[in-house]
Amino acid sequence: LAKTTQPISMDSYEGQEVNITCSHNNIATNDYITWYQQFPSQGPRFIIQGYKTKVTNEVASLFIPADRKSSTLSLPRVSLSDTAVYYCLVGPYGGYQKVTFGTGTKLQVIP
Amino acid sequence: DAGVTQSPTHLIKTRGQQVTLRCSPKSGHDTVSWYQQALGQGPQFIFQYYEEEERQRGNFPDRFSGHQFPNYSSELNVNALLLGDSALYLCASRSSGGTQTGELFFGEGSRLTVL
Repeated sequence: LAKTTQPISMDSYEGQEVNITCSHNNIATNDYITWYQQFPSQGPRFIIQGYKTKVTNEVASLFIPADRKSSTLSLPRVSLSDTAVYYCLVGPYGGYQKVTFGTGTKLQVIP
Repeated sequence: DAGVTQSPTHLIKTRGQQVTLRCSPKSGHDTVSWYQQALGQGPQFIFQYYEEEERQRGNFPDRFSGHQFPNYSSELNVNALLLGDSALYLCASRSSGGTQTGELFFGEGSRLTVL
């Protein structure tokens, strides 16, 4: 299974765009990249998933370069409620749930 | 539409005891996975159940066992509890028919403290 590396923590002011990068150098051909968000004492919540190029939904964008060795989660105009831990997972579609989440990136949004 | 529900929300046990945690998946879901999340760490995959059988297992000892019932609900059992088993235990469900993303839906978790 592909190993992922993310920054341990990030700070951002309200209203700014936040980009969290995940490195996954040994990603396999059939692996997808999936991001989850977790608030304290709650279960993680799915944010976005992609395979290549760019994916956008109502809450985030996911940018994946051609070599797929990294990916960037982009959160537009963050608010205080976006303060959470963000996890990057890499694994085959339908099989990535076996992947350990890692320590994730703790995002602190500052007023 | 109820999401994933877990019980109990909190419990305290002593070393050597046994514990059973319960999970009801989101309506329409038939696949249940269990995770252990220690303080300050990300969730670690324990195992997954589908059609009442354990389909995949993470790196956890045999003290951790589970069951899935015909109504898709699931139990996680941990025997001979150790202090290191103190953690938040998360249940996640999805449909085997699959959304395009294989999205997992998580419950709020059961906080286990072993004294």
